[in-house]
Amino acid sequence: EPEVTQTPSHQVTQMGQEVILRCVPISNHLYFYWYRQILGQKVEFLVSFYNNEISEKSEIFDDQFSVERPDGSNFTLKIRSTKLEDSAMYFCASGGQENNEQFFGPGTRLTVL
Amino acid sequence: SQQGEEDPQALSIQEGENATMNCSYKTSINNLQWYRQNSGRGLVHLILIRSNEREKHSGRLRVTLDTSKKSSSLLITASRAADTASYFCATDKSNFGNEKLTFGTGTRLTIIP
Repeated sequence: EPEVTQTPSHQVTQMGQEVILRCVPISNHLYFYWYRQILGQKVEFLVSFYNNEISEKSEIFDDQFSVERPDGSNFTLKIRSTKLEDSAMYFCASGGQENNEQFFGPGTRLTVL
Repeated sequence: SQQGEEDPQALSIQEGENATMNCSYKTSINNLQWYRQNSGRGLVHLILIRSNEREKHSGRLRVTLDTSKKSSSLLITASRAADTASYFCATDKSNFGNEKLTFGTGTRLTIIP
């Protein structure tokens, strides 16, 4: 069964460093998303992406964040200058056209020191 | 307003018993989805129910939706130790894809062998 994959599974970085989180969505999906979950808290929406542009972003998704679909398969989330409060589990999700069913990857645990 | 509040926050039952978790929401929705998350892991999609549906089944899962009460329930029958996880509801207002999900706070289910 097709699934969303994410790399790395765990990323440790120093505050102020740039990180790129990578995702390979399900191949025939058109809609892509990033969410995050701070430890012990709700899953929060960051950004949605369709047709090579951002469809919607939350207030969390400020100028330090960017997304890209550099080729036909990868979908990346870049954080330019990480802060301590960016430490969280980051989930990529993708969805098809039929309904809003979203399938999530296993997540990347980002730890900012 | 907060969307997607599950109750109970935590539930422990004996293996073989049925587990019922509830989700309430405040604004109108189009879809409601249930996800499972094993500790520190990714979100597994369980089931999607549309606002014009009242009940849906998938294996040992039964989901109901009452739009007049703005609530949904997830029933897991004949529970197994492997069902131990956190369960989240997520809502959206979309008729098709490309719509953010708003997650609830989750119910932590523990199945006692």
